[in-house]
Amino acid sequence: DARVTQTPRHKVTEMGQEVTMRCQPILGHNTVFWYRQTMMQGLELLAYFRNRAPLDDSGMPKDRFSAEMPDATLATLKIQPSEPRDSAVYFCASGLEGLAGGNEQFFGPGTRLTVL
Amino acid sequence: AQTVTQSQPEMSVQEAETVTLSCTYDTSENNYYLFWYKQPPSRQMILVIRQEAYKQQNATENRFSVNFQKAAKSFSLKISDSQLGDTAMYFCAFMKGYAGNMLTFGGGTRLMVKP
Repeated sequence: DARVTQTPRHKVTEMGQEVTMRCQPILGHNTVFWYRQTMMQGLELLAYFRNRAPLDDSGMPKDRFSAEMPDATLATLKIQPSEPRDSAVYFCASGLEGLAGGNEQFFGPGTRLTVL
Repeated sequence: AQTVTQSQPEMSVQEAETVTLSCTYDTSENNYYLFWYKQPPSRQMILVIRQEAYKQQNATENRFSVNFQKAAKSFSLKISDSQLGDTAMYFCAFMKGYAGNMLTFGGGTRLMVKP
């Protein structure tokens, strides 16, 4: 049963601490997306990768956020230093580009981050 | 830039009845895809239905169907024979161009199915 996995599922931290969220995309998928969900802003794209190359991270605050794909099976999203306004649910999604992949993005269960 | 608007923050429907959720979008693209995602209390995002802009026929998936009006840039979701398990947030989403692009989401509609 192929699915996107995310760790941790929940994270509570104090302001100023570093937070790292991890995502394992579905094997064989070549696009990976990070979305953030808040009550005020809804669902918004932070960054996305195609074949591990970053394509768009314009939605991400560059001074504190960074996204990487060290290999095809792992994507990371880091916040340093974290702030209370970063409290949100962070979703990772993966998909397969091209005709064979259709156009569906498969979402992970999300990481609920609370910054105190 | 694309925008997606869901004008109904909350809706309710009686079990077994039919409900329609509205979505409008704004784009200058000619080639794109539209989606409805369901998010139950578990937070999991679940694809309900998709529509390719080049297809004139409205997509249907069991009790779920869409009314796609390309000229009006409208993409509504109809849920027939509503079930208690349909209670969730529903998000309309837009993807431009070809597969592998980002999704732009609407603000969501919270649907409550009442017994």
